[in-house]
Amino acid sequence: DIQVTQSPSSLSASVGDRVIITCRASQTIGKSVNWYQQKPGKAPKLLIYGASNLQSEVPSRFSGSGSGTDFTLTISGLQPEDSATYYCQQAYIPLWAFGQGTKVEIK
Amino acid sequence: EVRLVESGGDWVQPGGSLRLSCAVSGFTFSDHYMDWVRQAPGKGLEWVGRIRTKGKSYTTEYAASVKGRFTISRDDSKNLVYLQMNSLKAEDTAVYYCARCFLDSSGYYDNDSWGQGTLVTVSS
Repeated sequence: DIQVTQSPSSLSASVGDRVIITCRASQTIGKSVNWYQQKPGKAPKLLIYGASNLQSEVPSRFSGSGSGTDFTLTISGLQPEDSATYYCQQAYIPLWAFGQGTKVEIK
Repeated sequence: EVRLVESGGDWVQPGGSLRLSCAVSGFTFSDHYMDWVRQAPGKGLEWVGRIRTKGKSYTTEYAASVKGRFTISRDDSKNLVYLQMNSLKAEDTAVYYCARCFLDSSGYYDNDSWGQGTLVTVSS
């Protein structure tokens, strides 16, 4: 099975900061990585699909990059409403898996 | 509007069984693979499994942690997907989400729509 390792597990940043979260796959998976945002008590929300494609209605301050085994989610200009936990997901068939999550707090 | 609504979550003793349901509306259910994802209290997301469409013979995939104990099925006539859980363990305690598996225009799959989740508690 393909595992994904996400880092850091948590971070604290100020409004306006650029935040970078990384995800590493245990083997090459092309661009089959998705990113989700989850707020407490809520279902996850898709932000980025196919490593770099912005989901409809997601603010443009969110961006994704990478291919092969290394991927990043960048939040350019952190906003108070971005306080949440972020997950990467390897979507390389047939078995998928999520990273461990990154909790983003606002200073 | 795409809508997914899970039900059936409950408290059950270890070794017991439970069946979850997910009712969907707002899209052509029979055209989409459907996933189950769970989240233990205070923990991260865990992909549980998938059922494909009739065109793919309703084949299924399961995470190693549930394979042999959990079964996913679907009823395209009722727009329902099910998760049958047998031989439940304390570590199966979680909120269970159903999610649509969507093939985006770029050719990549993702879970673009989710239900609100239903809580399963396994405890004596």
